Amino acid sequence: KAGVTQTPRYLIKTRGQQVTLSCSPISGHRSVSWYQQTPGQGLQFLFEYFSETQRNKGNFPGRFSGRQFSNSRSEMNVSTLELGDSALYLCASSLVVGLNTEAFFGQGTRLTVV
Amino acid sequence: AQSVSQHNHHVILSEAASLELGCNYSYGGTVNLFWYVQYPGQHLQLLLKYFSGDPLVKGIKGFEAEFIKSKFSFNLRKPSVQWSDTAEYFCAVNNAGNMLTFGGGTRLMVKP
Repeated sequence: KAGVTQTPRYLIKTRGQQVTLSCSPISGHRSVSWYQQTPGQGLQFLFEYFSETQRNKGNFPGRFSGRQFSNSRSEMNVSTLELGDSALYLCASSLVVGLNTEAFFGQGTRLTVV
Repeated sequence: AQSVSQHNHHVILSEAASLELGCNYSYGGTVNLFWYVQYPGQHLQLLLKYFSGDPLVKGIKGFEAEFIKSKFSFNLRKPSVQWSDTAEYFCAVNNAGNMLTFGGGTRLMVKP
């Protein structure tokens, strides 16, 4: 069974630009979560989607947004990029929502803002 | 808000040494607990998880963890580490939905 697929793997963008990252969950999984990983802040939760609805949102500015499609694929968008947005963005998929579920992570998209 | 603390940021061990990585969390209600590992250049992989029942859980690659509710702890252990265990280890907690709160991570280096 294919794992979580994130595209692209690497991105270089300029300050002020916007970027869209994509995540395809494991087949049958309906929940997708996004995390930002940086050396200084570690792994931080961005948001979670289930059945095309955002269920939870972390403490990030409104420049960070996401959506989920009917096939459970998800995208996250960052507008007006700042240098501090440089990070590894991880997507995780889960079968359902709630306790007693585990998350499977993709390889991540390494975003560099210059 | 819940938080997770991993007290050891960097650990260096020789092969065959025993490993214990500490993890404490702040949430007082029902939680799910996880240990993930991130090998260099690879994605986060689940080592083990605790949902309920026996507080001593066994995971992959010989790792185990013990949930001590009274201490809000979920420490990771391995009796004898190998060079291939060199990686970063993350403790995580989930108390609702699928939102994971991660600890800061522990970088383990095993010397051959």
